[in-house]
Amino acid sequence: EAGVTQSPTHLIKTRGQQATLRCSPISGHTSVYWYQQALGLGLQFLLWYDEGEERNRGNFPPRFSGRQFPNYSSELNVNALELEDSALYLCASSLGITGYPRTDTQYFGPGTRLTVL
Amino acid sequence: DAKTTQPTSMDCAEGRAANLPCNHSTISGNEYVYWYRQIHSQGPQYIIHGLKNNETNEMASLIITEDRKSSTLILPHATLRDTAVYYCIVRVYGQNFVFGPGTRLSVLP
Repeated sequence: EAGVTQSPTHLIKTRGQQATLRCSPISGHTSVYWYQQALGLGLQFLLWYDEGEERNRGNFPPRFSGRQFPNYSSELNVNALELEDSALYLCASSLGITGYPRTDTQYFGPGTRLTVL
Repeated sequence: DAKTTQPTSMDCAEGRAANLPCNHSTISGNEYVYWYRQIHSQGPQYIIHGLKNNETNEMASLIITEDRKSSTLILPHATLRDTAVYYCIVRVYGQNFVFGPGTRLSVLP
């Protein structure tokens, strides 16, 4: 069974540009989560999508946004990039809040390393 | 903020059991204990989770105290590949995972 996939693996942008990161969940999973991990820091929750709806949002500015498509894949968009946005962006998926059995253990992808110059 | 307290770092000899403690003294009755690990710059890997009873799978065992205020993750025969940061997380079903700094486990040859 294929795991969570993310693309691209690496992304280099300059300040002020926009970045788009993509995530494909495990087959059958309807929830997708996004996390940011800056160098040497812990994982910070960004966004949670389930069944196409945004369920929760972490303490990040509005220039971090995303969406979930009908096939449950997801995009994370970061507008007006700043140097401090350089980080590993991780996507995770789970069965979702309406899934059965009732378990929402999250499984993570390998991440996209975003570098802002 | 994370609701758990873990040692910053631990060492373990290869082939020996690694016992990683976690304190979660404010855990509520419907919060699960989850363990993940992250090998350098990779995505976190799910290890195990439990509510009240001890759990075992092919990777590890999870021992939860009767009062549920602490738990221990046991890797029965640590290998060099088990060197990683281990995260203990408590959460209610449907809520976000909040990752703390975790324990950096070094398995030594």
